[in-house]
Parts: sequence; C-alpha cells; structure tokens
Amino acid sequence: EDQVTQSPEALRLQEGESSSLNCSYTVSGLRGLFWYRQDPGKGPEFLFTLYSAGEEKEKERLKATLTKKESFLHITAPKPEDSATYLCAVGADSWGKLQFGAGTQVVVTP
Amino acid sequence: DTAVSQTPKYLVTQMGNDKSIKCEQNLGHDTMYWYKQDSKKFLKIMFSYNNKELIINETVPNRFSPKSPDKAHLNLHINSLELGDSAVYFCASSRQGLGQPQHFGDGTRLSIL
Repeated sequence: EDQVTQSPEALRLQEGESSSLNCSYTVSGLRGLFWYRQDPGKGPEFLFTLYSAGEEKEKERLKATLTKKESFLHITAPKPEDSATYLCAVGADSWGKLQFGAGTQVVVTP
Repeated sequence: DTAVSQTPKYLVTQMGNDKSIKCEQNLGHDTMYWYKQDSKKFLKIMFSYNNKELIINETVPNRFSPKSPDKAHLNLHINSLELGDSAVYFCASSRQGLGQPQHFGDGTRLSIL
C-alpha cells in the first residue's frame, strides 16, 4: 500500500533560522510528488510538483528536492509569514489520486 | 476571482439530517475531487469525477453521494448524518493527465450535534 510519512510533526523556528522538512514515501509507480502549504481555515495551496529523482524546484525561500525514497522541503531564512502546515502528497495513478502525509506544522517567530 | 469555491463554509446540523455541499471551479479543469480532513488534519480522498464521470470512489459509506451536473460543478450529498461525519470537506480540481497539481477550495466545516 502507498504510504507517505512526514517529519517532524511540528517545527518551531526563529526568523532567519533555516531548516528542512522530510517526506518519505513508498509507492509503486510515482506520478509526481506534490508539496502544498495550508494556512488555518484555508485549503491547501499548491507549491511544487517533482516528477523524478534529482529534480529540484525553488520558489522564494522554499526549495524542494526529490530522491527515489524521499523529498525535502528546505526553508531558507524563514519569515513569520512562512508559518503554515506543509503537506506532502504522492500521485500513484493516472487519474490524479493523491496520498497525503499528515503534514509538518511550521511556526516561525520574530 | 475565486478559482475553486465551496458553499457553505460552515454547516452545523443534527444527527440524522441530510445535507449538501456545493463546489464550483472556474479554472476550466476536467477533473474534480472531494476530500475529507479529519480532526488530525489528515486529508483523504473520497471521490473524483472526470468530465462528469466517476473515476475514483474510495471506501466511503454509501450515505455519501457525489453528483456532477457539468465539468465545472461537483456536489456532495450526505444522508443520515452521523457524529463521525464531522470534519472539513475540501473540493479540488485539476487538469486531466499524469501529475497535474490539484487546486483546492477553502473547505466546508461540517459539525454534527
């Protein structure tokens, strides 16, 4: 069965303190690994899609990387507005079925 | 303009009632989804429609019935509501094809008294 595990569950950072979130997955036939950001009371907001090992994507202070077994979301010099829950999901079929991890709640304090 | 919109945002009702949640997307996408996010914030897919045809139907009680009148709309009707149905329900949409990102609405928080 496809599985997605995110760690840590929660992360508290000082503003400017860089860190990484981990997403480990087991899936037969990866159809994309997705990162989302979710703010309280809102729906997940799409950040990145990674398709193959070695691929990297960047957006402002966020950088996502992918290996055959895991993905990392690096947050460089975070700001308080980066506080959110970051969700990882894997696509494993051609119809868009996503398996989500439980998320990492990130709090960035000034 | 809101890309994926759901109504209502909040739904408070009693056990045993029947209720509906509506979803509309203006992104021109072919595929729409319903997800349930429980109290532990875990997002789980329930249904998916592609061009009005049901393509994903996870293990969901048959009290839940999705309906897609057209490509831009996907509604969720729930019969005989139970306490365990309390959750946030999210609608999403995407283009058809491998690895297409899904775009989510802001959710409907359903509370069963």
